[in-house]
Amino acid sequence: SQTIHQWPATLVQPVGSPLSLECTVEGTSNPNLYWYRQAAGRGLQLLFYSVGIGQISSEVPQNLSASRPQDRQFILSSKKLLLSDSGFYLCAWSGETGELFFGEGSRLTVL
Amino acid sequence: AQSVAQPEDQVNVAEGNPLTVKCTYSVSGNPYLFWYVQYPNRGLQFLLKYITGDNLVKGSYGFEAEFNKSQTSFHLKKPSALVSDSALYFCAVRGLRGSARQLTFGSGTQLTVLP
Repeated sequence: SQTIHQWPATLVQPVGSPLSLECTVEGTSNPNLYWYRQAAGRGLQLLFYSVGIGQISSEVPQNLSASRPQDRQFILSSKKLLLSDSGFYLCAWSGETGELFFGEGSRLTVL
Repeated sequence: AQSVAQPEDQVNVAEGNPLTVKCTYSVSGNPYLFWYVQYPNRGLQFLLKYITGDNLVKGSYGFEAEFNKSQTSFHLKKPSALVSDSALYFCAVRGLRGSARQLTFGSGTQLTVLP
C-alpha cells in the first residue's frame, strides 16, 4: 500500500533562517506531488505541484520554492523565512484515481 | 471558476444522533466530489468520493454522502454520531475532466459530537 511521510513534524525557526521540509511517498511510482499550506483559519492553499522529476509548477508567488530531486521525493524550501511563512504545510500525492492523499503535515512557526 | 461552499463553520450534534455536514458546489461540467476529515494537528484523510453512479456514496467510518445534481449539493451524513467523529471536515470539487491540482476545497466545518 502507498504511504506518505513528512518531516519534521514541527519546526520553530527565526525570521531570516532557511527552511527545508521533506516529503517522500512509498508504494507508488511517478506520482503527482503537491505542497499545500493551511493557515490558522483552515483554508487550504495549493503552493506547488509536480508531475515528475525536476518539473515544478508554482501556483502563487511567494518566498518559498520546491524541488523534486527523485521520483518520490518532494522538498519545500526557503532561503530566508518571513513571519508570514508560519503555517501548517501538507504534502500530498495523487494517482490514477484522482483523489489526493495527504501526509501528516509539518507545523512551521517563524519567530 | 469552480467553488465550494460549506455554509456552517460549526456543527454540534449529540452522540447517537444523526449528523449532516452541508456542502454545495459550482463547477463546469460533471463534478468529481470529495470529503476529507482532519483531526487536530494531522493531515487530511480521504473519506469518500463521487464520480458517477449511485447518488448515495458510502465511505470510511460509517460516513456516506448524497449527491444532488439539481441542488448542486453533496452533503455528508452519518446515521449515528460518535464522539470520535469530532473533527474538521472538508468538501472538495473539481471538474471530471480536470486534474487533482485543480481541486477546490471548502473552508471546512468543525463538527463537535457531544457526549
